[in-house]
Amino acid sequence: EDQVTQSPEALRLQEGESSSLNCSYTVSGLRGLFWYRQDPGKGPEFLFTLYSAGEEKEKERLKATLTKKESFLHITAPKPEDSATYLCAVQARSARQLTFGSGTQLTVLP
Amino acid sequence: EAGVTQFPSHSVIEKGQTVTLRCDPISGHDNLYWYRRVMGKEIKFLLHFVKESKQDESGMPNNRFLAERTGGTYSTLKVQPAELEDSGVYFCASSQTETSGPHLAGELFFGEGSRLTVL
Repeated sequence: EDQVTQSPEALRLQEGESSSLNCSYTVSGLRGLFWYRQDPGKGPEFLFTLYSAGEEKEKERLKATLTKKESFLHITAPKPEDSATYLCAVQARSARQLTFGSGTQLTVLP
Repeated sequence: EAGVTQFPSHSVIEKGQTVTLRCDPISGHDNLYWYRRVMGKEIKFLLHFVKESKQDESGMPNNRFLAERTGGTYSTLKVQPAELEDSGVYFCASSQTETSGPHLAGELFFGEGSRLTVL
């Protein structure tokens, strides 16, 4: 069974204090690993797709990386507007669905 | 461009009653998914439509749940009769169909969700 574990569950940062969120996964053949951002009362918003180990994607202050067992979402010099829950999900090659982690709730204090 | 819209945003019903949730995907999106998050748990897959056809309904918890997608446009998810454990947020998501390669299930546009409370 595919599994996704995210850590930490919650993270509080001062504005400008860089950090990383972790997503560990086990999947029977990875089709893709996906990062989403979710704001309170909203649906998840797609951020990145990673397909293979060694791949990196960047968007503004966010950079996602992938190894064979985990993915990191690096946040550089975060701002209060980066506060949200960040979700990681995987799709197995044989599947047409996503398996989600429970998310990391990020709070960036001004 | 309008996003994925879901209705109602919140529904409160008694155990044993029926509720129907509706999802309007982004125009032109053939793929439509239903996911849900129950209290304290991860978002979990329910089912996947391509146009009007169910491709995968392996996540549907039991036969109290019925999903339809009329004419390949909007979709409904009916819960009948509702039980306490059905409470949660039901998300709909849509995506375009790939022109080549295997199906990529992850680059989805989600709606804001329908919160269901069963008392």
